[in-house]
Amino acid sequence: QKEVEQDPGPLSVPEGAIVSLNCTYSNSAFQYFMWYRQYSRKGPELLMYTYSSGNKEDGRFTAQVDKSSKYISLFIRDSQPSDSATYLCAMSASGNQFYFGTGTSLTVIP
Amino acid sequence: GAVVSQHPSWVICKSGTSVKIECRSLDFQATTMFWYRQFPKQSLMLMATSNEGSKATYEQGVEKDKFLINHASLTLSTLTVTSAHPEDSSFYICSPAGGAGTPSSEAFFGQGTRLTVV
Repeated sequence: QKEVEQDPGPLSVPEGAIVSLNCTYSNSAFQYFMWYRQYSRKGPELLMYTYSSGNKEDGRFTAQVDKSSKYISLFIRDSQPSDSATYLCAMSASGNQFYFGTGTSLTVIP
Repeated sequence: GAVVSQHPSWVICKSGTSVKIECRSLDFQATTMFWYRQFPKQSLMLMATSNEGSKATYEQGVEKDKFLINHASLTLSTLTVTSAHPEDSSFYICSPAGGAGTPSSEAFFGQGTRLTVV
């Protein structure tokens, strides 16, 4: 079993839709959870960072962590064509070694 | 967030030659450097972990004699792909971590290097 599971998609939505991206994990020691956005041929850039359980909101983006279910989500409201990218979830137990999902490819259609 | 500079961003080389990729952490001291490889439409695969001043630890299946890692200072690490072959063509990304001044526990990445071996 992989440490982190993420549906690779691809996911295609119309502009303005709400997007839901998810990851599950198996290691209960994970306590740092991150979402990265990666445009084609670029390095990943940090989008959201959450420590332990709970929700975090930043503009159109909301990250949720449910440690009891070992499940994390990223919601994008009012999606824009510029949101088209690959979204990677990442998590860590120590804050030093990171485990990544496979990434979900998202296309927002104007 | 931390500032990480990786270059070159894109390199084409002939089969059999070597390529060096540099990764610099510009505003904090990286005691640890992770090197990842990413094939198209796949996630980041950890290749090796290096600690400043010591030998790198390679993941299973990664040839240490082929992918030479040097982490001689807290701000610079290099990855040299020796005797490159077309199957080494990939996107290589560095991620410095740890040490004094580390902003937080999230991972920071270089811009990546796209290597094409012809």
